[in-house]
Amino acid sequence: DQQVKQNSPSLSVQEGRISILNCDYTNSMFDYFLWYKKYPAEGPTFLISISSIKDKNEDGRFTVFLNKSAKHLSLHIVPSQPGDSAVYFCAASGGNQFYFGTGTSLTVIP
Amino acid sequence: DVKVTQSSRYLVKRTGEKVFLECVQDMDHENMFWYRQDPGLGLRLIYFSYDVKMKEKGDIPEGYSVSREKKERFSLILESASTNQTSMYLCASSSIRGNTGELFFGEGSRLTVL
Repeated sequence: DQQVKQNSPSLSVQEGRISILNCDYTNSMFDYFLWYKKYPAEGPTFLISISSIKDKNEDGRFTVFLNKSAKHLSLHIVPSQPGDSAVYFCAASGGNQFYFGTGTSLTVIP
Repeated sequence: DVKVTQSSRYLVKRTGEKVFLECVQDMDHENMFWYRQDPGLGLRLIYFSYDVKMKEKGDIPEGYSVSREKKERFSLILESASTNQTSMYLCASSSIRGNTGELFFGEGSRLTVL
């Protein structure tokens, strides 16, 4: 049973607008939640993370929000740029293990 | 600059061949992982290792084995490659001392089995 879910396989956004990527999880014992970005034929690169004791973390254009009661997190990208077009994976970590969602393919339209 | 290096970016093998995928990290990380990535399925864990000579099965270990003889090196072995093992293979490492829970990935090895 998948512990981390990304229910939107794809998302298209106009350049300059906000991109919102969503992720749900089932295990309330996870310590950290992370977002990774992946271009084709490359390994995932770390984007931003949030501790389970926080509800928001911001890094430049990227903000991650954590709603523990809903077991939901989201990644906001503002403003979106064409170079942000990639597959985004949500991940949760706990006990030295990592659990990944199936990814959301973001396309930013110039 | 921290690094996870995978030995081959692209490989083409025939059904039944033995395949070795090697991964080396220079961050003195205790934990190392092998994932495969397939469209629509995300990253699925094949095997992981917490220490030298230790290994644990992940979600999809069938058809694979691993070796960790040195802390920095984690190898994935396909004893007899099959076409359904055509995939992108990703090695990763992490530290038990880290306070962000970050997993560091290599660039991936794209394996095609004919």
